[in-house]
Amino acid sequence: AQRVTQPEKLLSVFKGAPVELKCNYSYSGSPELFWYVQYSRQRLQLLLRHISRESIKGFTADLNKGETSFHLKKPFAQEEDSAMYYCALRRSGGGADGLTFGKGTHLIIQP
Amino acid sequence: DAGVIQSPRHEVTEMGQEVTLRCKPISGHNSLFWYRQTMMRGLELLIYFNNNVPIDDSGMPEDRFSAKMPNASFSTLKIQPSEPRDSAVYFCASSLPAGAGANVLTFGAGSRLTVL
Repeated sequence: AQRVTQPEKLLSVFKGAPVELKCNYSYSGSPELFWYVQYSRQRLQLLLRHISRESIKGFTADLNKGETSFHLKKPFAQEEDSAMYYCALRRSGGGADGLTFGKGTHLIIQP
Repeated sequence: DAGVIQSPRHEVTEMGQEVTLRCKPISGHNSLFWYRQTMMRGLELLIYFNNNVPIDDSGMPEDRFSAKMPNASFSTLKIQPSEPRDSAVYFCASSLPAGAGANVLTFGAGSRLTVL
């Protein structure tokens, strides 16, 4: 069975400092990885997906199959980045399978 | 489009009572998912439907939980009888059919359930 691990429940950094939210996964196939974000009093929403290879709100994430990781990074944190971040995995094979989520990391950006 | 619509937003009930949570997916999305969020366990997939058919209900915790999708625009998650450990936020999400966008879930605002 697949599993997603986010080792940090809480991460606090100062504004302007670099941010890295860790995500490791276990799955025997080729997964698709996502980062979802939930801002205060807002819905859970997609931040980025590895197949898009894009930067969203300054965040990037690279899939490292050797290390089975998909860490989320941003070089300079902003106060509006404070939110809950969830790493998620979908099994390969097509179709709309349910995502397996990590337990989430609460990111707090201090002024 | 108003997005995925869930009701009620908040429900407080007593142990032993029946609870019904409702979800209206985005029009045109043919996959629907029910998740439960707790502090201890994070987001857990309970069940999902493709074209109104339940595909995987292995995440449903026990027989007290049941879900239905009678048509493409409506789904319910029922807990009978409810217990205090069922207290959580229940999210509904939907996605497009297989292909581009199939893997991107759009979430509802959630239903916060408190069982006393």
